[in-house]
Amino acid sequence: GQQLNQSPQSMFIQEGEDVSMNCTSSSIFNTWLWYKQEPGEGPVLLIALYKAGELTSNGRLTAQFGITRKDSFLNISASIPSDVGIYFCAGQLRDDKIIFGKGTRLHILP
Amino acid sequence: GAVVSQHPSWVICKSGTSVKIECRSLDFQATTMFWYRQFPKQSLMLMATSNEGSKATYEQGVEKDKFLINHASLTLSTLTVTSAHPEDSSFYICSARHLGKSGEQYFGPGTRLTVT
Repeated sequence: GQQLNQSPQSMFIQEGEDVSMNCTSSSIFNTWLWYKQEPGEGPVLLIALYKAGELTSNGRLTAQFGITRKDSFLNISASIPSDVGIYFCAGQLRDDKIIFGKGTRLHILP
Repeated sequence: GAVVSQHPSWVICKSGTSVKIECRSLDFQATTMFWYRQFPKQSLMLMATSNEGSKATYEQGVEKDKFLINHASLTLSTLTVTSAHPEDSSFYICSARHLGKSGEQYFGPGTRLTVT
């Protein structure tokens, strides 16, 4: 089945630093999605990417859909304490099923 | 808008009993809902696709007789974990596909199931 390889698994950064994480897949997806999940809650959509090569921003977040439709990155600029959480990349198939990556745990050091 | 709720938010049950989890789209209609399971420190794994008015389709390795899904209306899908075992303890999350918004999906807050 489809698998998404997300890296890094976890990150420890200082407040104010920029963050970058990425995902690759052996499969092509129609839509690429980035979610954030906090403990005990469902995932919340951050950015949706629909076209190959698309670069989209949402505040301090920027994500790009790779030209081959098999990869994506998410950047967070000037991190703040509330950015802590788990970030998941996800690919959406033609039948609307969403396949999730393993997640990147973001920790911000005091 | 586009809010999905789940009930209960957490439940503890004894081995061998059955537990029903509800997923509701509060302000939109959803012909399709999806059920996921998430074990601690792991990703969300798709279990099944719930289709209003028809049978659910299950992902490979998910027992349909153990995880009963009913999608009786455009705003409600239920997942029943039958004869629960401790290994069924997990975080169950649903998502609902918005009927009117080009397939956008919205996730519920999850239900924490603990089987003792």
